[in-house]
Amino acid sequence: QKEVEQNSGPLSVPEGAIASLNCTYSDRVSQSFFWYRQYSGKSPELIMSIYSNGDKEDGRFTAQLNKASQYVSLLIRDSQPSDSATYLCAVNGDETSYDKVIFGPGTSLSVIP
Amino acid sequence: DVKVTQSSRYLVKRTGEKVFLECVQDMDHENMFWYRQDPGLGLRLIYFSYDVKMKEKGDIPEGYSVSREKKERFSLILESASTNQTSMYLCASKDRGSYNSPLHFGNGTRLTVT
Repeated sequence: QKEVEQNSGPLSVPEGAIASLNCTYSDRVSQSFFWYRQYSGKSPELIMSIYSNGDKEDGRFTAQLNKASQYVSLLIRDSQPSDSATYLCAVNGDETSYDKVIFGPGTSLSVIP
Repeated sequence: DVKVTQSSRYLVKRTGEKVFLECVQDMDHENMFWYRQDPGLGLRLIYFSYDVKMKEKGDIPEGYSVSREKKERFSLILESASTNQTSMYLCASKDRGSYNSPLHFGNGTRLTVT
């Protein structure tokens, strides 16, 4: 059974700082990786996706993937109070069951003004 | 924009009742999913479907069944509701064309079983 692990937090950072969120996964053949943000009482929404080793940047967000270490991270630069939410790491993909998407437990982020 | 619609936002049912949670998507996605979300446990996959009448068990299928008679509709069934099935239920759909495709979620159904 595939597993996805995250630090549950809560993670607190001051406004303007860099927030670093980490995720590890157990299935070595996983193909694609996603970060979702979930505000309290709302559904998850996609922030970033990454499929290749290295960094991928989108505005204030940078996703980093290291398949050899089975590790994916999300950096949020210039953190804002509006970034306070739970961040979910999701993993899918091997050749036979890339339809199945598994989530980690989520990391709660609080950005302090 | 992809729209995934769950029929109820809040639902209260009694122990032993048969419960149907309905989900409809309008983007012709092949894949549909049912998750439940509980504090500290994140989203756990109950069942998913990759085609009409096709289904696969997720990580926690016990006590649940599903139905996919039409491509746009995926139903979650609690045959005999129990209090430990009180949870937030999230439906999602995904384009099967690429493993890179993200999930699109509905607004969720908060089910309380008393």
